[in-house]
Amino acid sequence: EVQLVQSGAEVKQPGESLKISCKGSGYSFTNYWIGWVRQMPGKGLEWMGIIYPSDSETRYSPSFQGQVTISADKSISTAYLQWSGLKASDTAIYYCARRSNNNYFYWGQGTLVTVSS
Amino acid sequence: EIVLTQSPDTLSLSPGERATLSCRASQSISSFLAWYQQKPGQAPRLLIYDASNRATGIPARFSGSGSGTDFTLTISSLEPEDFAVYYCQQRSNWLTFGGGTKVEIK
Repeated sequence: EVQLVQSGAEVKQPGESLKISCKGSGYSFTNYWIGWVRQMPGKGLEWMGIIYPSDSETRYSPSFQGQVTISADKSISTAYLQWSGLKASDTAIYYCARRSNNNYFYWGQGTLVTVSS
Repeated sequence: EIVLTQSPDTLSLSPGERATLSCRASQSISSFLAWYQQKPGQAPRLLIYDASNRATGIPARFSGSGSGTDFTLTISSLEPEDFAVYYCQQRSNWLTFGGGTKVEIK
């Protein structure tokens, strides 16, 4: 069974760094792109970027380029999303999703990130 | 960037009624459009891909149509579990979502 399990909720202060994770299981992790999606409180969905774990090729949405870093460790089947200096506007739920045949069928459960002083 | 505009923002219907949701692209995206359903507290669920193909496990009451710039998601007869927010998403040029349509109980 394909599963994407994300790390737990985080509460951070502005300016802090953070790295959240998405662990894949039940499939060959290196063979499928993983994407990250943001959902701000009460708002819609936004694609942030995608990564191919086999060679760590990464593509970012123009809106998120330079704001976050997407990475992967194929030895432990885990993708990451990280910030070096959080802002209150980063408060959101973040989802990872696996691409197959150009579509995203499998999703993680989401990670709530709260940034507040 | 390709902008997807969904309409209406909210659709108020009763169980058993037919729901018709629209998604318009700012430029042609061929058939590279997907539809997702999202319920409160849950991750999005892929319903339709490539404009008209139902994803695995999706009931036949969900159907998608369209190509180019105009697309439609139809739910033939609403079940209680269908009341949710629906998003379209294109993959022709990068990936973008529409703003969503909320289907609520009338």
